[in-house]
This record gives sequence, structure tokens and C-alpha cells, in this order.
Amino acid sequence: DADVTQTPRNRITKTGKRIMLECSQTKGHDRMYWYRQDPGLGLQLIYYSFDVKDINKGEISDGYSVSRQAQAKFSLSLESAIPNQTALYFCATSGSGGSNEQFFGPGTRLTVL
Amino acid sequence: QKEVEQNSGPLSVPEGAIASLNCTYSDRGSQSFFWYRQYSGKSPELIMFIYSNGDKEDGRFTAQLNKASQYVSLLIRDSQPSDSATYLCAVGIQGAQKLVFGQGTRLTINP
Repeated sequence: DADVTQTPRNRITKTGKRIMLECSQTKGHDRMYWYRQDPGLGLQLIYYSFDVKDINKGEISDGYSVSRQAQAKFSLSLESAIPNQTALYFCATSGSGGSNEQFFGPGTRLTVL
Repeated sequence: QKEVEQNSGPLSVPEGAIASLNCTYSDRGSQSFFWYRQYSGKSPELIMFIYSNGDKEDGRFTAQLNKASQYVSLLIRDSQPSDSATYLCAVGIQGAQKLVFGQGTRLTINP
């Protein structure tokens, strides 16, 4: 089984709808991250969390919110989706010690019409 | 100036040759550096990380770091068509609590 899973893998929705993307991990990591990737661009950090009670905004948090329901679960919500939020969304995890490398989930492809 | 800059390419290299990918960063306090490979439509996969000045080798891959010049590179020896992908450079900031990614370099290995 994959260490970091994301659901759904693909989603098409309409402008104004509320959407939730979910991320679960079995790596036992404390830190979890949400990124978006637009075609030809690198990864932009939306939100990150270092434990259940710690939530931090990234560089592009406007229009998004998150919930850390448990150490293993980190959800991203689009309160009112708009077309320019069409992108590939990745969840990532890392441990709090050692080399701090991040491990990515398979991604969710979101299309907002 | 972007925090992490890469040449977006595409970079085309013949099979069997050495592919050289470069990355510069702006934060002199950065201490950790990562190279990820991303196939089209897939998630980034960690190839290597490096913390110290100099070279770090892992199989066909060598990461090179020069903190004075704020420069990190990835060399791929004996390039294979399966190495064709986008390579993302990432730099740890705030004690590596966060990573800042470059836009990636698209590499094509020609048979």
C-alpha cells in the first residue's frame, strides 16, 4: 500500500462549489503539506502543518482552508472553487528529524469549470 | 529574483551522455538541498539530498553543492531514455521546515 494517499485522484467541479481533497499517510510523519502545481511551473505551498494543533499558511493560501483531523490526515478545502484553481494538487509528508525530505502523494487533478 | 531558479529547458541529451542540471538559490542561510524527479502527470520522487559543500554520489547520480556561489547541480551519468522527466530543485528554508521549489528543468534523453 502507498505510504501517502490522496482522494479523489480526479475531480471536475463547477465554479462556486465547495471541494475537499483528502490526504492520509502511514509513514508516521508529523509534518504534512499541501502544494499546487500549474502546467510548466514548480510546486507552490498552500498550507502546512507540523502537528495536529499547528496550521500555517503557505505562499498561496487565499481561497483555501485546511483541517488536520489526526496526525495521519490532512484535508484541503476550496470554499468556493474558481476556474484559476484548476491545477494538480499534491500532499506531502516529512519527519521532524533527520534529513527532512518530503514524500509526495500521487496527486489530485482538479478541474473547475 | 525568485528564491530558487532553474533553466526550464527543454534540455536534450543523447543516450549515454552526461546530463547536467543546474539550480541557483537566493537565501544564503539555506542548509539543505534536494533534487526530485517528476514524470509527466506523476508526483515528485526524491532522487538525492545534499547538505555539505562538494559532491555526493549515488549510482549514476551526483549532486554538487557550492554554498559560496549559492549553486547546486545534478549530474546524471550514462543517461537513459527512462531519465527523461522534469527535475525539480528544492531548497530547505527555516531550518528545512519548508521547501522552496524551482520551476523545474525538462530533460529529454534521445536514443
